Parts: sequence; C-alpha cells; structure tokens
Amino acid sequence: GQNIDQPTEMTATEGAIVQINCTYQTSGFNGLFWYQQHAGEAPTFLSYNVLDGLEEKGRFSSFLSRSKGYSYLLLKELQMKDSASYLCAVSLNTGGFKTIFGAGTRLFVKA
Amino acid sequence: SQTIHQWPATLVQPVGSPLSLECTVEGTSNPNLYWYRQAAGRGLQLLFYSVGIGQISSEVPQNLSASRPQDRQFILSSKKLLLSDSGFYLCAWSPGRGEPQHFGDGTRLSIL
Repeated sequence: GQNIDQPTEMTATEGAIVQINCTYQTSGFNGLFWYQQHAGEAPTFLSYNVLDGLEEKGRFSSFLSRSKGYSYLLLKELQMKDSASYLCAVSLNTGGFKTIFGAGTRLFVKA
Repeated sequence: SQTIHQWPATLVQPVGSPLSLECTVEGTSNPNLYWYRQAAGRGLQLLFYSVGIGQISSEVPQNLSASRPQDRQFILSSKKLLLSDSGFYLCAWSPGRGEPQHFGDGTRLSIL
C-alpha cells in the first residue's frame, strides 16, 4: 500500500528554525511536494523535490532522499504567521500520476 | 496568470438532497483537474481526477460523481447526500501529470 508518515504536531518559537520530517513508502515515485494549509483554508504549494538534495526558496527549504524514502521541510526565522499545517505529498508514477497526501503536521509558533 | 474558482464557499444540505459543486480554471488550457475531500484533522482524499474533457477517473467508490463538460470546468455531483459526505471539498488543477497542484478555496459541506 501507500503510506506517508509525518508528526502530528510540533511547537517552535518565533525566530527559531524548525524541521518537519516526512517518510514515505509508496509503489512508484515521481516527486515530493510540501504544502502549507492554514486552518479553514485550502493548501498552498510550497516546494517540489524530484531529485535528491536540498531545494531552497527563501525561508523555506526542502530536502529529499529517495533511497531512504525521506524528506524534510526546514523553516527558518519562524514567524507567527507560519502557524499552520504542513502537508507532505508524493506523486506516484503509476496509476495516472496520482498524488498521495500525508495527514499533515500542525505547527504552532509561540512568541 | 492562472486562477481557480470554486463555489459555493459553504453549503448546508439535508440528507438525501442533491449536490452540485463547480470549479473553473482560468489562464491555462487542458489542465489536469482534481476533486479532494478533507475530513477534519485528516489528509486529503482524492475523489476524482480528469486529464481531459469527458475523461474522469474515480478513486473511491461512493455516491458522488464528477463531470468535465468543458476544458476548464469540473463539477462534483451527488443525487442523494449521506451524512458521511460532510467535509471540506477542494478542487485543484495542475499543468500536467505529476506536477504541483494548485487548489481552489474549498467548499465546506455540512449535511444535516
């Protein structure tokens, strides 16, 4: 079957750095996405990893290791507005390139 | 730039009533289109996806159906809603298979 695991909740302090981990076991892999979802709102796209390594985009970075089935999202210089759920998602290269979403990690940023 | 519109934002329906949610995309042609449902505190469950007009793939057998009458229009329907159909419904589009998806604002559906 397809499975994506990420921590349910994390808490961090404003101005700090936080790393949100994601592990996946899927039959087929095309790429990995990270989305941010504020409470009551739709997810918004943050990052996309296809090859191993680190992708940096401003305060957000995402890392992928395909051999380990592992990714993380790194958020630097945390701001209160970063309090949200972060969804890890895997695009499969089978079954019409279906995308599987994890349940999300709720991040609480405290002052 | 591309935009996606989804309506209504909220909907309260009685059990057994019909449903029609509409989604349209602007600024692109031949997008891949998706319908998801998200239960409270849960991940996104893919319901349907479409790679072209009239081409619909169903991921979960249920009392919902989807149609794509035009290139950039995707409709989610039901003839008879169940209590278990409550949830947050999201429409999304992507330029192609396996590419990042971009979501509409969602419809919060409550069944009474």
